[in-house]
Amino acid sequence: DIQMTQSPSSLSASVGDRVTITCRASQSISNYLNWYQQKPGKAPKLLIYAASTLQSGVPSRFSGSGSGTHFTLTISSLQPEDFATYYCQQSYSTPPLFTFGQGTKLEIK
Amino acid sequence: QVQLQESGPGLVKPSQTLSLTCTVSGGSVNSGDYFWSWIRQPPGKALEWIGYIYYSGAAYYSPSLKTRLTLSVDTSKNQFSLKLSSMTAADAAVYYCARVARAGHYNWFDPWGQGTLVTVSS
Repeated sequence: DIQMTQSPSSLSASVGDRVTITCRASQSISNYLNWYQQKPGKAPKLLIYAASTLQSGVPSRFSGSGSGTHFTLTISSLQPEDFATYYCQQSYSTPPLFTFGQGTKLEIK
Repeated sequence: QVQLQESGPGLVKPSQTLSLTCTVSGGSVNSGDYFWSWIRQPPGKALEWIGYIYYSGAAYYSPSLKTRLTLSVDTSKNQFSLKLSSMTAADAAVYYCARVARAGHYNWFDPWGQGTLVTVSS
């Protein structure tokens, strides 16, 4: 099974900060990596798919990069609505079997 | 736009079988372009993929749940369903249904249902 490890598990930051969250896969997954944002009591929302493709309607301050085993999600200038928990998710293999990271909680400093 | 809505009992007794249904509106489960998936999230914990099903009925399960899990699809009702047997407290979670979008070998979950909380208690 492919394991996904996110770091940090939690992060405190201020509005306007640049923030980077890391996701590592236990084996190479090429760029079969997606990112989601989840706010309390809500379903997750897709931000980025295929490691770096921004989902329609998602602000351009969000960006993703990486391939192989190391991936990052960057928020260039934090906005108040960005404080949430972020999950990475891999979809390698055919047929795909999915795994999520453990999440990174982004809190207001 | 496609919307998904979970339904089912919010309370299940230990050892019983959980049955949930996801109703799809604004789109069709009878489409070869998508898979239809279940994901769960225990309170305060991370997301866990459960399994997904294709319109043909072909299903793929998480290895950790496959012995207790059955997914099915009803194209006439535009619904897909989950049955998880031998429920324990560890299965208590918010259960989400989601569409699996596909582009080549790329797959992602979008959109999601709002989720339904399942409690396991006698």
